[in-house]
Parts: sequence; structure tokens; C-alpha cells
Amino acid sequence: DAGVIQSPRHEVTEMGQEVTLRCKPISGHNSLFWYRQTMMRGLELLIYFNNNVPIDDSGMPEDRFSAKMPNASFSTLKIQPSEPRDSAVYFCASSFPPAQPQHFGDGTRLSIL
Amino acid sequence: AQSVSQHNHHVILSEAASLELGCNYSYGGTVNLFWYVQYPGQHLQLLLKYFSGDPLVKGIKGFEAEFIKSKFSFNLRKPSVQWSDTAEYFCAVSGAGSYIPTFGRGTSLIVHP
Repeated sequence: DAGVIQSPRHEVTEMGQEVTLRCKPISGHNSLFWYRQTMMRGLELLIYFNNNVPIDDSGMPEDRFSAKMPNASFSTLKIQPSEPRDSAVYFCASSFPPAQPQHFGDGTRLSIL
Repeated sequence: AQSVSQHNHHVILSEAASLELGCNYSYGGTVNLFWYVQYPGQHLQLLLKYFSGDPLVKGIKGFEAEFIKSKFSFNLRKPSVQWSDTAEYFCAVSGAGSYIPTFGRGTSLIVHP
């Protein structure tokens, strides 16, 4: 049974470049969450989708960050332009129904030089 | 807004020692409670959850947690830790009507063999 799949696992790029992180939730899960984890701030919720609709994006740091969920099996988190302070591990998680425990992907370790 | 406090940021134990990690939350209504574990370099995994019923919850790998409503607490315990329990432990709380869990900052546990 496939879990939450994230790609890429690691991304190293120079500041100013566009970064796109991808997530495939578990089939049948209709809630999807994007998190950012850093040593300084811990685990932060960036955005929450339910049935492909963004419900809460109050955690998105600024306009450089955007997220989409065009269908039930795919979501992207985009940073444009990227900055060194965006370096973190980004996790995607899914659940069904929303109140149930979340299943996390392996994360994308992002380094912006 | 609800908040979750994990008082112990770093815990160091020897194998076979007993473990108790504190978790307190601020939310007056019905809550769903979770403990997740993150092994080094891996994603978060569910240890145990409480929705209702018996306030003493058994989880995987010998962990348990007790929900004490009057103290707004959901402490994690294990009678005898192993070296393989070295990990980061996160408490999370979601309130009725909001499926977005709030995560604590995490507790880093190091178990010496």
C-alpha cells in the first residue's frame, strides 16, 4: 500500500530560482496538508486542502509561496523566487476523514544557496 | 486559538529507564489528541491517538498516553526505553469542528545504550 509520495527528496538550488515540490496523497484521502520543518520554528502548517479546495492558507509565509491541488491525487507547493531562509524540510501529509491521523510523506529537504 | 506545549525540549536517558514526556494544550472543547514520532531522517509516524473512551491509550512499540481532561494534558509514557526509541516526539491536538491539528514544538529523546 503506497504511502504519501513526495518528490524530489532533495533539492539544492540558487536563490532566485523557482522551486516546485510535489505530493501524491494516499488514494482515497481527501485532506492534504503541507508543512515546513526547521530547527528554529519546528513544524509549521503552511496550507490545508479538503476535497482539492484550499481551506486554510494562513500559514503560507508570503506571496512567494503558492500551492495548488488540481485533482485528488496531486498537489504542488511552489516558491518563486526562492530565498536562503526558505531552506527547510517540507512535508506533505494526507488523511481521511480530516479528523483522522495524518500520514506523512518522506519530505523534501530544500537547500537554497 | 489552541496551543500545544511540550515542556521537555531535550531528554536524555539510559536504556531501561522509564520515560514520561509532557504535553499540555489550551482548548476548552472536545479534542482529538495524537502523539507522533520522527526517527532521525524520517517522516512523522503515528504512535497513538485519543478520540474518546478510555483515557489511557495504548500505542505501538510499548508506548501509552493518558488523557487527563482536568489538567488539559496528554502525557506520553514508556516503562522501559530502548536505544531504538531515540527520536523526536510530537504531541498534536485538534479541536471538534476544526480538523487542523496544532503540533507542539517536539521533544528530542536520546537513549544511550
